[in-house]
Amino acid sequence: DIQVTQSPSSVTASVGDRVTITCRASQPISNSLAWYQQKPGEAPKVLVSFASTLQSGVPPRFGGSGSGTDFTLTISSLQPEDVATYYCQQTNNFPWAFGQGTKVEI
Amino acid sequence: EVQLVQSGAEMKEPGESLKISCATSGYTFDTHWIGWVRQMPGKGLEWMGIIWPDDSDARYSPSFQGQVTISADKYISTAYLQLNNLKASDTAIYYCARLGKLCRGSNCYNYAMDVWGQGTTVTVSS
Repeated sequence: DIQVTQSPSSVTASVGDRVTITCRASQPISNSLAWYQQKPGEAPKVLVSFASTLQSGVPPRFGGSGSGTDFTLTISSLQPEDVATYYCQQTNNFPWAFGQGTKVEI
Repeated sequence: EVQLVQSGAEMKEPGESLKISCATSGYTFDTHWIGWVRQMPGKGLEWMGIIWPDDSDARYSPSFQGQVTISADKYISTAYLQLNNLKASDTAIYYCARLGKLCRGSNCYNYAMDVWGQGTTVTVSS
């Protein structure tokens, strides 16, 4: 089974800062990676699919990149409403493993 | 609008069984995989398994194989997660989610869990 390792586990930044979260797959997965945002008390919400395709309605300050084994989620200018935990998920083969999560705080 | 609505919170005692439902609407139920995800208190997301509602083909993560049963009733567009012999360690929020699908010609790709239920909180305690 394909595993994904996410880092860092938490990050604290200021409003307007650039925040970067990385995800590494245990074997090449092409662009089969999704990113989710989960705010406290809510269900997760998909932000990015196919490694870099922003879902409809997601602010353009969010961006995904990468291919193969190494992927990145970037928030170009952190906003207060971005406080959440972010997860990557490989979507290449079942089971679709999640990363461990990155908690973003201000 | 695509919606997944889960059954309500449950409090159970150790050893009991539980079946959580996930009622869907707004799309053709038997053309998308439905998945289940566990989130233990204060922890991350764990992929449990999926089901193809048209023929009830279920696939499980090795961590949950034999521990849970995923089923579906395509006639009422509802998926289920059954937990037997509950333990305190089963205390968690359980989410159902639809696997989004993108088709190009005859090739279709499942790309993410694109619509989620609201979650069902399960508490197991004596």
